[in-house]
Amino acid sequence: QKEVEQDPGPLSVPEGAIVSLNCTYSNSAFQYFMWYRQYSRKGPELLMYTYSSGNKEDGRFTAQVDKSSKYISLFIRDSQPSDSATYLCAQKRSGGATNKLIFGTGTLLAVQP
Amino acid sequence: NAGVMQNPRHLVRRRGQEARLRCSPMKGHSHVYWYRQLPEEGLKFMVYLQKENIIDESGMPKERFSAEFPKEGPSILRIQQVVRGDSAAYFCASSGAGGKNEKLFFGSGTQLSVL
Repeated sequence: QKEVEQDPGPLSVPEGAIVSLNCTYSNSAFQYFMWYRQYSRKGPELLMYTYSSGNKEDGRFTAQVDKSSKYISLFIRDSQPSDSATYLCAQKRSGGATNKLIFGTGTLLAVQP
Repeated sequence: NAGVMQNPRHLVRRRGQEARLRCSPMKGHSHVYWYRQLPEEGLKFMVYLQKENIIDESGMPKERFSAEFPKEGPSILRIQQVVRGDSAAYFCASSGAGGKNEKLFFGSGTQLSVL
């Protein structure tokens, strides 16, 4: 079983739609949760960073963490063609010396104008 | 404030040659991470270094791959005797003090193609 599962998509939505992206994880040691956006042939860009369960909002983006069900989500409101990219969820453990991130495989999103 | 700088952006090698990938972390950052991304796959952790020290190399292949982060200069990921399966995008990330709430910032990557 993979530590992090993410639907690869592709997900195609019309401009203005609400987008829901999701990940599940298996290791309860994960305590830090991130969403990265990656445009084609570019490096991942940090979008959201959360520690606790609940919601965190930043502009059109909302990150949601449910530690009890090991489920994280990213919502994009009023989606724009410029949001078309691959979205990667990432998790980090709370213990140990390493600070490494464990990534999902990414979901490819296409927002149609 | 320059971000994480990687070079070269594209590197072409023939089978059996050596590949050297360079990474300069963000200003003020002393922790470097290398990740590999294969087509249709997510980012896979390879190694985590601080200045002059390897902290976690649990994702590094046992042979042909090595990494360093010297006191002066960029971090280097070295792949000896490359094979076609090494073709991938290699990303470097950096963070500050390395604490658990430190955020990782990525470079634009080096695309390695092995002929």
